[in-house]
Amino acid sequence: GAVVSQHPSWVICKSGTSVKIECRSLDFQATTMFWYRQFPKQSLMLMATSNEGSKATYEQGVEKDKFLINHASLTLSTLTVTSAHPEDSSFYICSGFPPGGRGDTQYFGPGTRLTVL
Amino acid sequence: GESVGLHLPTLSVQEGDNSIINCAYSNSASDYFIWYKQESGKGPQFIIDIRSNMDKRQGQRVTVLLNKTVKHLSLQIAATQPGDSAVYFCAEIPGSNYKLTFGKGTLLTVNP
Repeated sequence: GAVVSQHPSWVICKSGTSVKIECRSLDFQATTMFWYRQFPKQSLMLMATSNEGSKATYEQGVEKDKFLINHASLTLSTLTVTSAHPEDSSFYICSGFPPGGRGDTQYFGPGTRLTVL
Repeated sequence: GESVGLHLPTLSVQEGDNSIINCAYSNSASDYFIWYKQESGKGPQFIIDIRSNMDKRQGQRVTVLLNKTVKHLSLQIAATQPGDSAVYFCAEIPGSNYKLTFGKGTLLTVNP
């Protein structure tokens, strides 16, 4: 199947700093990408839908000014956690959704483990 | 709001046995369901899907059953292997909305 990569795979930062996570679709064009957050022993929670060339759509309760999403090309979406705090520590996962696809064609990245000290 | 949930948070089976993981959903508008496998520290991996116009679908060693009357999904894994140990999530897509709503997950442990 198609491959989605994330970088970095893990990051540790100090409270108050900003962290950027990259999500790349390696062999397909992803007009839509989704960003999820997963706390330990919990399920994936959708944070936002990122559409190439337009503003991201955020789920209820997700602060758009804190979690900045940029989808500047068909193969790259970035999530920037601004002024990170310990409660933002989580596993962040993205998925790529090619045009014309549905459900079974949403390909997930390997995730990024963020730890905020 | 409506959500997808699971009956069993953990399941422990012996190698070679069959495993059944259950999932209850509450959104009657959902017409597409997917089972994912997530190993520790990794992203979800697609296992099998089923659309609402079906009640059963089989893959390699896996079968998904859908009971729309009681809004219930199950994933059956035949001849469970140690490599099947992971957390399994069901997910639904309601109607034309392509967003996935994930269930709580079941941790499957396969004992050798």
